[in-house]
Amino acid sequence: EVHLLESGGGLVQPGGSLRLSCAASGFTFRTHALSWVRQAPGKGLEWVSGISGSGGSIYYAGSVKGRFTISRDNSKNTLYLQMNNLRAEDTAVYYCAKDDTNYGGNFDYWGQGILVTVS
Amino acid sequence: DIQMTQSPSSLSASVGDRITITCRASQSISRHVNWYQQKQGKAPNLLICAASDLQSGVPSRFSGSGSGTDFTLTISSLQPEDFATFYCQQNYSTPFAFGPGTKVDIK
Repeated sequence: EVHLLESGGGLVQPGGSLRLSCAASGFTFRTHALSWVRQAPGKGLEWVSGISGSGGSIYYAGSVKGRFTISRDNSKNTLYLQMNNLRAEDTAVYYCAKDDTNYGGNFDYWGQGILVTVS
Repeated sequence: DIQMTQSPSSLSASVGDRITITCRASQSISRHVNWYQQKQGKAPNLLICAASDLQSGVPSRFSGSGSGTDFTLTISSLQPEDFATFYCQQNYSTPFAFGPGTKVDIK
């Protein structure tokens, strides 16, 4: 059974940093792309960043480019999101989402989400 | 970047009703659209990919259609467990934009 578990969220001041982790299990980690998707309180879904199975291809939304860094450790089955220079508008629940292939943008499994509050 | 819009933003319906949600892309994206259902306080759930391919385990009352810029999600007979917010998402190119969502609630 596929399982994705986010951690590392919390309260941070504007301008601060935070690193999110997503521990994965139940599938062959290195053969699937992964993404971070966020949802501000009471708002819709926003794709943030994605990374291919090997880590060789990386993509960002314009709203976070230059401030956030996505990475993965295939030996630890873990996805990361380093968030720097955080702003109030980054406040959201952050979801880790598994792609059904090595980069197709079909998110077939999601974590339960982790709250990041910038205040 | 490709923008996605949805209509309506919300709708009220009764159990047994047939409902249709529309999604429009700002440029042609072939059939690169997915549909997700999100219940309150939960993570989204993938219902349909590639415009019309029903995910395993998703009831057949859900269906999707469209290509190019216009897409639809139809629920043929609304069930109590279907009340939720529905999002379309394009995976034609990054950034993988979502639509703003359509909230379906009980009339």
